[in-house]
Amino acid sequence: ETGVTQTPRHLVMGMTNKKSLKCEQHLGHNAMYWYKQSAKKPLELMFVYNFKEQTENNSVPSRFSPECPNSSHLFLHLHTLQPEDSALYLCASSPFGGRRHEQYFGPGTRLTVT
Amino acid sequence: TQLLEQSPQFLSIQEGENLTVYCNSSSVFSSLQWYRQEPGEGPVLLVTVVTGGEVKKLKRLTFQFGDARKDSSLHITAAQPGDTGLYLCADSGGGADGLTFGKGTHLIIQP
Repeated sequence: ETGVTQTPRHLVMGMTNKKSLKCEQHLGHNAMYWYKQSAKKPLELMFVYNFKEQTENNSVPSRFSPECPNSSHLFLHLHTLQPEDSALYLCASSPFGGRRHEQYFGPGTRLTVT
Repeated sequence: TQLLEQSPQFLSIQEGENLTVYCNSSSVFSSLQWYRQEPGEGPVLLVTVVTGGEVKKLKRLTFQFGDARKDSSLHITAAQPGDTGLYLCADSGGGADGLTFGKGTHLIIQP
């Protein structure tokens, strides 16, 4: 248990659906991250929020829309996804932004797009 | 863009054996982190190395940072089934937010 929870753990959605992934951290951290983990590819950074402000968008397609209402919650809104978007989506948090701080990861949401 | 190459990609050995996995970069790391990810879980930080030539030990795990800070190794002594997982190295230096990861080494320790 790392103090970072993600729901749902598994999600199957069609290409025309709209769904949202939720992440919550109970560590009092100020930075939150979304990563994508696909087979045969390195873990890819998608978005970074620091004190609720988005500080990085790593050229992610607009069909992925993040939202950070406060420092404890992070959402990833999904719409009109493609089958190649099927992956494990990991949320992480750290005390502050910047790479040198340890990041605490949630267990991930396994997304399948049909 | 810094590329992190990890080798081997897959490794399956018997319990009790020793092993070493590697992380190499196309450029100098300012600091490097090693994570372990178990099936169904997110990565968990094992260690951060910062100084060239640095060696850190965590029980049966020994981490080494190359003198030129372009490579790192993880050595496991007397591997146990609980060491099974995906071992990831990540560039944790510089001013950017977020980490840059290698593809990882999938390690299986058979009883």
